[in-house]
Amino acid sequence: GDSVTQMEGPVTLSEEAFLTINCTYTATGYPSLFWYVQYPGEGLQLLLKATKADDKGSNKGFEATYRKETTSFHLEKGSVQVSDSAVYFCALDNFNKFYFGSGTKLNVKP
Amino acid sequence: EAGVAQSPRYKIIEKRQSVAFWCNPISGHATLYWYQQILGQGPKLLIQFQNNGVVDDSQLPKDRFSAERLKGVDSTLKIQPAKLEDSAVYLCASSLAAQSGTDTQYFGPGTRLTVL
Repeated sequence: GDSVTQMEGPVTLSEEAFLTINCTYTATGYPSLFWYVQYPGEGLQLLLKATKADDKGSNKGFEATYRKETTSFHLEKGSVQVSDSAVYFCALDNFNKFYFGSGTKLNVKP
Repeated sequence: EAGVAQSPRYKIIEKRQSVAFWCNPISGHATLYWYQQILGQGPKLLIQFQNNGVVDDSQLPKDRFSAERLKGVDSTLKIQPAKLEDSAVYLCASSLAAQSGTDTQYFGPGTRLTVL
């Protein structure tokens, strides 16, 4: 069945460091791909999405490119801030069935 | 605009008891989702409604879980009887319409259930 695998956390970085959180997926067909973020004490919110191969989603300095050849959707940010500390979830939507990864906690130190 | 509302925020019950959660989606959103998020895992879809009809309930443990959305607006999720493994955060989300990949889901704050 369809599934999402993302790197285990926690990931601890210093402010202004480069961030990569890996996400790979297994799906039939052509799913849409998402990154959601959950800040401490808040609900899940959409960070970015891509609906077809080679699309790049971007928001708040974060980017992810839909790579069909490697079935990946890695999240990147060039310079993280303390305020980026949160749990990040990779997800896919395939024919209106949604699957989430297990989440990666990011801690950014000042 | 008001977000997705859920209540209660926290619930502690003993095993074999019953519990119900309530969700009020964003006004005008046709699609409503219930997810179960066990600690350390990602959300798992339990049931999806389009207006008051069920679109997908393939992962809902129907022997103990039930959900309804009678008037196509708010929804309740019930567990009867609860088991220890039901301890989780129950998330409600809504979206404008069930168009695959084009719709954004908006999540509520969740209800944290602890079964003792």
